[in-house]
Amino acid sequence: EPEVTQTPSHQVTQMGQEVILRCVPISNHLYFYWYRQILGQKVEFLVSFYNNEISEKSEIFDDQFSVERPDGSNFTLKIRSTKLEDSAMYFCASSGQLWGAFFGQGTRLTVV
Amino acid sequence: GQNIDQPTEMTATEGAIVQINCTYQTSGFNGLFWYQQHAGEAPTFLSYNVLDGLEEKGRFSSFLSRSKGYSYLLLKELQMKDSASYLCALMDSNYQLIWGAGTKLIIKP
Repeated sequence: EPEVTQTPSHQVTQMGQEVILRCVPISNHLYFYWYRQILGQKVEFLVSFYNNEISEKSEIFDDQFSVERPDGSNFTLKIRSTKLEDSAMYFCASSGQLWGAFFGQGTRLTVV
Repeated sequence: GQNIDQPTEMTATEGAIVQINCTYQTSGFNGLFWYQQHAGEAPTFLSYNVLDGLEEKGRFSSFLSRSKGYSYLLLKELQMKDSASYLCALMDSNYQLIWGAGTKLIIKP
């Protein structure tokens, strides 16, 4: 069964460092998303990506964040200068339009 | 605007039946989804409703009434492994998922 894969599963980084979270969406999907979930809180939308550009982003997705689809299969989330409050689970998801979003297993980001 | 409401927490007994309700308000609608999320893991897809009525899938069923802005997830023959958060999510006219805060379901023996 096709699945969304994310790497790494856990990343520890120092405050102020840049991190890149990687995702391989399901191959025939058209919409790609990043969500985050701070421990014990609800899933929060960060950004959606369609047709090689950002289609929507939330208030959380400020200038410190960027997304890229560098090679037609990977979908990356970059955080330029991490803050302690960026510590969360980051989920990548992809959608074939009408069947919801299928999630990767997440990357647990810990900023110290 | 869009809004989704579901109870914060519910408790049920192993072997019993539980119904988790979700009400929503939206201007555009492309379906309603239920996801299960165990602590520390990704949400996993349970069901999708876009037409009114009941969709049954094993022990889990989901119901939708578009006119009432209402859905429920029904879990039968509860097992301890069903202890999780259940997330109601609305897909809007732009195919974006709008998430409810989730209902934490606690199953007691």
